[in-house]
Amino acid sequence: SYELTQPPSVSVSPGQTASITCSGDKLGDKYTWWFQQRPGQSPVLVIYQDDRRPSGIPERFSGSNSGNTATLTISGTQAMDDADYYCQAWDSSTGVFGGGTKLTVL
Amino acid sequence: EVRLVESGGGLVQVGGSRRLSCSASGFSFSGFEMNWVRQAPGKGLEWVSHISSRGTTMLYADSVKGRFTISRDNAKNSLYLQMNSLSAEDTAVYYCARDRLHCDSTSCYFEGMDVWGQGTTVTVSS
Repeated sequence: SYELTQPPSVSVSPGQTASITCSGDKLGDKYTWWFQQRPGQSPVLVIYQDDRRPSGIPERFSGSNSGNTATLTISGTQAMDDADYYCQAWDSSTGVFGGGTKLTVL
Repeated sequence: EVRLVESGGGLVQVGGSRRLSCSASGFSFSGFEMNWVRQAPGKGLEWVSHISSRGTTMLYADSVKGRFTISRDNAKNSLYLQMNSLSAEDTAVYYCARDRLHCDSTSCYFEGMDVWGQGTTVTVSS
């Protein structure tokens, strides 16, 4: 079965840039979505189709996808961005989530 | 307001069954694909099942195939998940989430799970 691999944790200082990777076999050939989940809340879509931002999502969130790796980048990270982030893709009519990355804004 | 509200969660015995519901409002439910996604306590998200807008195509994760059945009633703006032969590994918060299928001249692709419910908790215990 298809797997997406994310680092368990990433730390960043306020105002700096955070990058969260998501790796999978030929992931660049698929679309990738990114979700933010704050403690006790439902997931929120922050990036769709690799690099598109839904309405209402701040411009500091961006995405890219090439080769075997998709990346979520948060520029000028704020305290409110402290959350879990999940990548997601579709493979052979099956939805797949990465294991999630805990972003800590120190 | 666009909204999804899950219900039906609770305590179930191992081997038992449960039916979850998801009520949609604020948008044209029949025009959207729908998913169930679950999250075990302290764990990550796991995609469970998907149903097309007309209810003609159903997809399942291997972990639930043959035990869970997804369905929808567009006249009632409702999504369902019938869960049978439950085990402790099915203990989780279950979310419903909408998606949209976009097709052009060459391919079809999902636009993304852009609206999620608050979740309903299923606890399977012996």
